[in-house]
Amino acid sequence: EDQVTQSPEALRLQEGESSSLNCSYTVSGLRGLFWYRQDPGKGPEFLFTLYSAGEEKEKERLKATLTKKESFLHITAPKPEDSATYLCAVLGNYGQNFVFGPGTRLSVLP
Amino acid sequence: DAGVTQSPTHLIKTRGQQVTLRCSPKSGHDTVSWYQQALGQGPQFIFQYYEEEERQRGNFPDRFSGHQFPNYSSELNVNALLLGDSALYLCASSLLTSGIGSYNEQFFGPGTRLTVL
Repeated sequence: EDQVTQSPEALRLQEGESSSLNCSYTVSGLRGLFWYRQDPGKGPEFLFTLYSAGEEKEKERLKATLTKKESFLHITAPKPEDSATYLCAVLGNYGQNFVFGPGTRLSVLP
Repeated sequence: DAGVTQSPTHLIKTRGQQVTLRCSPKSGHDTVSWYQQALGQGPQFIFQYYEEEERQRGNFPDRFSGHQFPNYSSELNVNALLLGDSALYLCASSLLTSGIGSYNEQFFGPGTRLTVL
């Protein structure tokens, strides 16, 4: 059974204080790992797809990396508007649906 | 280009009632997936529809059923509502591709907040 865990559960940063969020996964052959951002009461907003170990993708202050067992979402010099829940999901070779982790709630204080 | 739309935005029902939620996929997409998201948790997969058929189903009881129409829009029906069905119901659309190594991303709608009293 495909599984995803995320840590930490919650993270509070000062504006400009860089950090990383972790997504650990077990999957029967990885077809893709996906990062989403979710604001309270809204649907998840797509950020990145990573397909293979060693792959990296960047978007503004966010950078996602992938190894064979985990993915990191690095946030450089965050701003208050980066405050949200960040969700990680995987799609395995034998599944046709995304398996989501519980998310990391990020708060960036001015 | 409209993204994924869902209706209604909010819904309040009582135990034992039935509810229907609706979803229109992003233009060009042919696959619709439904998720249930309880407060403070990640989305849980309910089922996926493609070509008007259910392709895969998560660990949800038969009280949860769905339908996809020829225009790719979809409905989620929940019968005999329980208090535990209170959640944000998310619809996601994608374009189905085959083959390992490529997968088109799922784009989510804003969700329907269902409250069961």
